[in-house]
Amino acid sequence: DAGITQSPRYKITETGRQVTLMCHQTWSHSYMFWYRQDLGHGLRLIYYSAAADITDKGEVPDGYVVSRSKTENFPLTLESATRSQTSVYFCASWGTGVNSPLHFGNGTRLTVT
Amino acid sequence: GQQLNQSPQSMFIQEGEDVSMNCTSSSIFNTWLWYKQDPGEGPVLLIALYKAGELTSNGRLTAQFGITRKDSFLNISASIPSDVGIYFCALTSGTYKYIFGTGTRLKVLA
Repeated sequence: DAGITQSPRYKITETGRQVTLMCHQTWSHSYMFWYRQDLGHGLRLIYYSAAADITDKGEVPDGYVVSRSKTENFPLTLESATRSQTSVYFCASWGTGVNSPLHFGNGTRLTVT
Repeated sequence: GQQLNQSPQSMFIQEGEDVSMNCTSSSIFNTWLWYKQDPGEGPVLLIALYKAGELTSNGRLTAQFGITRKDSFLNISASIPSDVGIYFCALTSGTYKYIFGTGTRLKVLA
């Protein structure tokens, strides 16, 4: 089925470890995004990508790295996880049509101990 | 920067009651969207509004794009237990840049 898939759904890691969250979409959407969701802050944009090999920082990029070698994949890496990065992470994609809405994956709940 | 205020933050209602929530913006935007997030899931689009004054329904849900283009409301009629979740408003000027409200957490008491 077409859609946007995130993996893993749940992840527990230790402070200082590197962890990568995966995102895959089947719509061939140009734009892909990573958001984090925390109580009291709503959804905050970490990084986005306008196309393969084009990425840019969002509102809260520190401590994160992204890449986009293929249009359908947009992995998010925490190079050295910190407790403040405990959050729910959502990947989203956007089809660039004027009235095209943002579509979200089901999220990855990350806990950093 | 842009400010998007959503209210109420949370609400408990009895099954069968009508619910209303709203968002106001400090700036004018072209598009208002309403998303619902079920527990443990990602936000799903409920209604998109593209013109000032537009009133759109989706089943028991009705949303309106305010005439001033700075506000929107979402109504849910005859609430049922599966309406529980977080409802977000979002704004965009038609580009990839979205601004999200902090959400209204809805709990329905049977």
